[in-house]
Amino acid sequence: NAGVMQNPRHLVRRRGQEARLRCSPMKGHSHVYWYRQLPEEGLKFMVYLQKENIIDESGMPKERFSAEFPKEGPSILRIQQVVRGDSAAYFCASSRNKGGTEAFFGQGTRLTVV
Amino acid sequence: GESVGLHLPTLSVQEGDNSIINCAYSNSASDYFIWYKQESGKGPQFIIDIRSNMDKRQGQRVTVLLNKTVKHLSLQIAATQPGDSAVYFCAEKKSSGDKLTFGTGTRLAVRP
Repeated sequence: NAGVMQNPRHLVRRRGQEARLRCSPMKGHSHVYWYRQLPEEGLKFMVYLQKENIIDESGMPKERFSAEFPKEGPSILRIQQVVRGDSAAYFCASSRNKGGTEAFFGQGTRLTVV
Repeated sequence: GESVGLHLPTLSVQEGDNSIINCAYSNSASDYFIWYKQESGKGPQFIIDIRSNMDKRQGQRVTVLLNKTVKHLSLQIAATQPGDSAVYFCAEKKSSGDKLTFGTGTRLAVRP
């Protein structure tokens, strides 16, 4: 059973470009969470999705950021018109049930904006 | 406001000794407290969790203690090994919600 798969592992974008981060949850998991981590800091919640629904996006910036989890395919975190401050590690986690404490994390995507 | 924080940013221990990593929290409404281990370049790995109605929970070589009176959480690692070197995060979660609130982390360095 493969774990949570994120790609790409590393992504370099110039300011103003778009970044697309992908997350495939563990098999049988229908709950996906996205977190952002700055160097030497803890993870900050961004958004929680179930298939085709955004459940909680309270941690997501109102501008330029969007997330989806379609019926088929991976969850996508999209950042439009990236700025240097978007440089961070973005982690995806999945869980089987709502409220489960054991969320499994992927290896992350390290976004660098130059 | 809500916060989950750690007392010590860096902890250095001798291989074979026991390690104690501490965490303070301020949100009394949290139902679960969880410890994660994050190795360099990897995602957080679940270690152990504890419900708010418990004081202690043991796993393999790890013990989590919860003191609700002083809002303090600790992770004890017995017979620390080089493979335990990582950053450890405490996190809290409400049963009614789904997001984890993480602390800033403690780096554990194991001396040979």
